[in-house]
Amino acid sequence: GAGVSQSPSNKVTEKGKDVELRCDPISGHTALYWYRQSLGQGLEFLIYFQGNSAPDKSGLPSDRFSAERTGGSVSTLTIQRTQQEDSAVYLCASSLGVSNSNQPQHFGDGTRLSIL
Amino acid sequence: QKEVEQNSGPLSVPEGAIASLNCTYSDRGSQSFFWYRQYSGKSPELIMSIYSNGDKEDGRFTAQLNKASQYVSLLIRDSQPSDSATYLCAVNKGRRALTFGSGTRLQVQP
Repeated sequence: GAGVSQSPSNKVTEKGKDVELRCDPISGHTALYWYRQSLGQGLEFLIYFQGNSAPDKSGLPSDRFSAERTGGSVSTLTIQRTQQEDSAVYLCASSLGVSNSNQPQHFGDGTRLSIL
Repeated sequence: QKEVEQNSGPLSVPEGAIASLNCTYSDRGSQSFFWYRQYSGKSPELIMSIYSNGDKEDGRFTAQLNKASQYVSLLIRDSQPSDSATYLCAVNKGRRALTFGSGTRLQVQP
């Protein structure tokens, strides 16, 4: 497809379980971002990948959160030992990621995560 | 002080009127500015980007940037009920991840 693809669209799991969220960026986009949006709130930055550079993990809220990006394309966000406060919509975005910061980011439809 | 501030609204305007959405930011080093539209239950959709002082027009939308005042705005002319959504202001401070405001909810009354 032409846009950012995320899966699953919805995920319901029990507290304490691990979850994996997947993001497939727009073809040709080298920069990939993960954000989360809690109900009625703005977007909170989590992690950023640019090409082969070390990711910017400064937004990850705890060591239960991790992400990887294989082959410079698909990314997986993993949340271990989920807690109820992890319930949110997890959004992935991608951009051309050239040397300046002016490239707009395009978002996928998100994964709505609910922790019971 | 929040890094990017927006009035949460709702901002209510009649159909056909001009809607004016405002955003202020705290970091003078901010380099690029974006407006996203988010319908309820949907992901943010980019509608405007602006990088230098002044106005930028695209159809019914005009973005305005004043770096001296650390202020960016979005004007929507001839507002339509389909414009009813939350509008998110986003600022790039150079680390490439965006900092978002909490959004302004716009209601266009038919």
